[in-house]
This record gives sequence, C-alpha cells and structure tokens, in this order.
Amino acid sequence: QKEVEQNSGPLSVPEGAIASLNCTYSDRGSQSFFWYRQYSGKSPELIMSIYSNGDKEDGRFTAQLNKASQYVSLLIRDSQPSDSATYLCAVAGGTSYGKLTFGQGTILTVHP
Amino acid sequence: GAVVSQHPSRVICKSGTSVKIECRSLDFQATTMFWYRQFPKKSLMLMATSNEGSKATYEQGVEKDKFLINHASLTLSTLTVTSAHPEDSSFYICSAGRDSRGAADTQYFGPGTRLTVL
Repeated sequence: QKEVEQNSGPLSVPEGAIASLNCTYSDRGSQSFFWYRQYSGKSPELIMSIYSNGDKEDGRFTAQLNKASQYVSLLIRDSQPSDSATYLCAVAGGTSYGKLTFGQGTILTVHP
Repeated sequence: GAVVSQHPSRVICKSGTSVKIECRSLDFQATTMFWYRQFPKKSLMLMATSNEGSKATYEQGVEKDKFLINHASLTLSTLTVTSAHPEDSSFYICSAGRDSRGAADTQYFGPGTRLTVL
C-alpha cells in the first residue's frame, strides 16, 4: 500500500466547473498536509496547507481534511485553463517528521 | 516571502565531470533543506535532507559519495553530482523548510536544475 495515494487521472473539467482532487494517506500520525501545483517542466508551487480537520479556503481553492478517514482533498472553483497542471498531495509528520511524502500526482486539464 | 532560488537552471556536461548546484533561500533562514530528483512523468523522489552545520541524511539507495551535499549556512545548500553519467540526467529540485506552527515542515521549492549528461 502506497503511503500517499492520489487518482492519477487525468481529470478533465470544463472551464468554470469545480475540480475535485482527492488524496488518502496511511500514516495516522501525520500532522501537516499540503497541496502543490506543478506545471510541466517546472518545480512544485505551494497552493495550500492544512493542519486541522475541516475546510480551509483561499480564493478559488478549498482544502478539506478528515483525519479520521485519513483523507484530504482540494476543490478548485471556477476552474480556468491556467489551472491545468499536475497537483501533488504531500503529507508530513508522523513517522516522517520534517519530510514530505508525496502522492504520485493528479493531472488536471481544464478545457475551454 | 518564501523565495528559493536555484542555480544553474540548466546544465549540460560530459560524462565523468562533476556538477555543482546551488540552492538559496532568499528571504528566510532555512535550517533544513531537501534535495529531490524527478524523472519525466514521475513524482518527486527525496534524495537527502540537509541540516545547516551537520552532515546530510541520505535516503535509502542514494549514494552519498556520488551526491555530495553541503549546507554551509542557513541560506545556502549545495549538491554536487560527482563523476556524472548519462543515467544521472534528471531534474534536480531543492526545497527549503520554513518553520510553521513550530514545525519546519512547510517546504518551498526552488525552480529546479535540469541536468543532461552526454
């Protein structure tokens, strides 16, 4: 079982729609959760961090965390073609304190 | 804030040469820096964790004598790929950990260095 799992996609949504990205993790001691966006040929860019159960909103992005279910998600509202990228879920804490464990990434395509 | 620079952005070298990559945190002090490599269409693979003033901690399977890491100050870490071979060609990315909530686990990534070994 992979430590951090994401649907690899590709996920395709029309412009203006809500894109929903999901991630599960295996280490119950994990404490910090991150979503990074990576454009092709570029390095990851931090979009959201979340530490407590519930929702955290930042502009068009909402991160949701459910530690009991070991599940974290990212919602992108009003999706734009510029949102097309690979989204990486990363988890820290627990047995890998200070290090990030990445999922394999979900490719998102927003078509006009 | 939280800007990390990396230099060079791209390097092409001959087999057998050594290549040094610099990673700098520009607007914060990073006690911990991380080095990753990424192959096409794959996720990031952590190579080593670098702490200022101490030896780097390498992940299993990463040759410490081949990938030399130095973390001389709170804003600079270097990765030297020694005696590079074509199989070392990859995208190398550093990140700097910034303290958040008492845990230095928020990582900000540099722009990456694309290494091509001929």
